Amino acid sequence: EAQVTQNPRYLITVTGKKLTVTCSQNMNHEYMSWYRQDPGLGLRQIYYSMNVEVTDKGDVPEGYKVSRKEKRNFPLILESPSPNQTSLYFCASSSSGATEAFFGQGTRLTVV
Amino acid sequence: SQKIEQNSEALNIQEGKTATLTCNYTNYSPAYLQWYRQDPGRGPVFLLLIRENEKEKRKERLKVTFDTTLKQSLFHITASQPADSATYLCALDLDTGNQFYFGTGTSLTVIP
Repeated sequence: EAQVTQNPRYLITVTGKKLTVTCSQNMNHEYMSWYRQDPGLGLRQIYYSMNVEVTDKGDVPEGYKVSRKEKRNFPLILESPSPNQTSLYFCASSSSGATEAFFGQGTRLTVV
Repeated sequence: SQKIEQNSEALNIQEGKTATLTCNYTNYSPAYLQWYRQDPGRGPVFLLLIRENEKEKRKERLKVTFDTTLKQSLFHITASQPADSATYLCALDLDTGNQFYFGTGTSLTVIP
C-alpha cells in the first residue's frame, strides 16, 4: 500500500530537549516536504526537498532542520524546541512538486 | 504579502444540493492550483489539480474552475452527501512547483 508514515503520532516534550520526527514514504517519490498546521493559520510549509541531499526552506523554517540522506526518508529535527512549536505536523511526498501530494497521518507535538 | 482566502470558515448545505467553495488569492502567479479534503485528525487527501491554462476540471461529482484573471478558483460538489462533510483546502505553488501555500480551509457540513 502506498503510504507516508510519520512517527511518533503524539509527542509531549520539554523546552530545549532535541527531538526528531521521522517520515518515510514507499512510493519512490522525489519531492518531500514538512508542514505545520495551526488553528486559524492553516498548513504552512516548513522545509521541502526536491531530491536526495537537496533541501530548501519553506515559509516557516525557523527553529527546524531537515535532512535527506535517502530518497525514502525525510526527518524533521527540532534542535531546541520551544512552546511556540506546539503544533500538528504533516509530512508529504509527491513524484514532483507539481503533482498530487500524499500526506502522512500527522504528529501532534506539545512542547511544555 | 502573499495571501490565500477561502470563503467562510464554515458552510452548511442540505443533502442533494451543490456545495460551492471559493479560493481567492493575491500576489501570486500560480502555475496550478490543488484542492484537498481533510477529515478531523487526519492528513489532507488530494482531490483535484487544475493548471493555469485549464478553465475547468471534473472528477465524478467534483468540479473545479480556475480564473487567473479574477485570481479565483471555485470548487463544486454536486449532489452532496453527508459523507462529503469535511474541511476542504486549496493550495497554490509559487510558479516554481516547489514551494506551496495552503488556504485555511472551509469546513463543509452536509445536513441529511
